[in-house]
Amino acid sequence: SQTIHQWPATLVQPVGSPLSLECTVEGTSNPNLYWYRQAAGRGLQLLFYSVGIGQISSEVPQNLSASRPQDRQFILSSKKLLLSDSGFYLCAWSVLRGVTDTQYFGPGTRLTVL
Amino acid sequence: ILNVEQSPQSLHVQEGDSTNFTCSFPSSNFYALHWYRWETAKSPEALFVMTLNGDEKKKGRISATLNTKEGYSYLYIKGSQPEDSATYLCAFYNDYKLSFGAGTTVTVRA
Repeated sequence: SQTIHQWPATLVQPVGSPLSLECTVEGTSNPNLYWYRQAAGRGLQLLFYSVGIGQISSEVPQNLSASRPQDRQFILSSKKLLLSDSGFYLCAWSVLRGVTDTQYFGPGTRLTVL
Repeated sequence: ILNVEQSPQSLHVQEGDSTNFTCSFPSSNFYALHWYRWETAKSPEALFVMTLNGDEKKKGRISATLNTKEGYSYLYIKGSQPEDSATYLCAFYNDYKLSFGAGTTVTVRA
């Protein structure tokens, strides 16, 4: 069966510090991978998605970047965190990106930028 | 950015009572609407995928209906139980991506 891991679970970082969140998927090959953020009181906002190694699509201009160095590894990074980067970050995967394809979510990372 | 609205933002329901809430989405270029349930300290999990106008899906005591012409979907919980407490998210499929609403948080009181 497939599983998705994210770490760390919680993170408190000062403004201006770097960020690296990691997501890995087990039990499947060539998944589509997604990074979402949920800010307080808002819906899940798609930040990045990837259809393959080294292929990253950015959905919103922001202070963040993503990389996919291996087939089942997706990394969210920032060089200098802003207060507005605080939120709950979810990684997800899907087999395909079709109309009825379900996305499977990881446990998430709670990021607080102080 | 697609406008996917959910209402109410939160609701409290007594154990055993039934409840329902709404997801509104663009009525043009409809492909699919997804419903997810997100329990506290867990990951969001898929409930339903709805594609046809008039569709009705059911999973245990939870069911959903779809009206693509007017752009809304209802999710119903019949005979609510404490384990139904969660945030329910709807997501509109467009351009190979899901646009999520902010969710309706349901709290079932024993």
